[in-house]
Amino acid sequence: EIVLTQSPGTLSLSPGDRVTLSCRASQSLTNNYLAWYQQKPGQAPRLLIHAASRRATGIPDRFSGSGSGTDFTLTISRLEPDDFAVYYCEQYGNSNPLTFGGGTKVEIK
Amino acid sequence: QLQLVQSGTEVKKPGSSVNVSCKAAGGTFSSYSINWVRQAPGQGLEWVGGILPVLDTTKYAQKFQGRVTITASESTSTAYMELTNLRSEDTAVYYCAKDRDLLRTGWHFDLWGRGTLVTVSS
Repeated sequence: EIVLTQSPGTLSLSPGDRVTLSCRASQSLTNNYLAWYQQKPGQAPRLLIHAASRRATGIPDRFSGSGSGTDFTLTISRLEPDDFAVYYCEQYGNSNPLTFGGGTKVEIK
Repeated sequence: QLQLVQSGTEVKKPGSSVNVSCKAAGGTFSSYSINWVRQAPGQGLEWVGGILPVLDTTKYAQKFQGRVTITASESTSTAYMELTNLRSEDTAVYYCAKDRDLLRTGWHFDLWGRGTLVTVSS
């Protein structure tokens, strides 16, 4: 099983800040098949990014993904009030079954 | 617009089984898989398994092999997840989610149901 480690666990930030979230895989991901989701309290997750850097339909361009191999990053260029949430990474498309990271909570400072 | 509509809250005894449904409203599954992802209270996300209804093929996470069965009816555009021999650790919100990519199961998910809370308690 591929283990995804997200850091930090929690980030305390202000609207307008730039955010960088990290996701590290225990082995290299085939074709950089990594996705990012946003989840707000009481809601289902929402797909933000797939294939490491491709924005899902309807996702604002302040969200961007990058990385390859075992190290991946989600960047939010300028935090908006609606962006305070928990963010999960997920690896897929490998011979191993998909797995999720433990999540990073982005909270208001 | 396609939505995934899940069945309601369940309260079960340890050792019993639960069956959760997920109906595609406003459309059909087409050639996309439906997957089940659970989230224990205050915890992260865990993939349970999925089904590709057009081929009637399933994939399950190893952890749940032997305890979970996922089925689907194309005629009613409804998927089902049955989890047996329930224990307290199975208490979670169970989400159904549609794979973004055609003919893939257990990839990444662009449409989610609202979730079904399953509580296992004596």
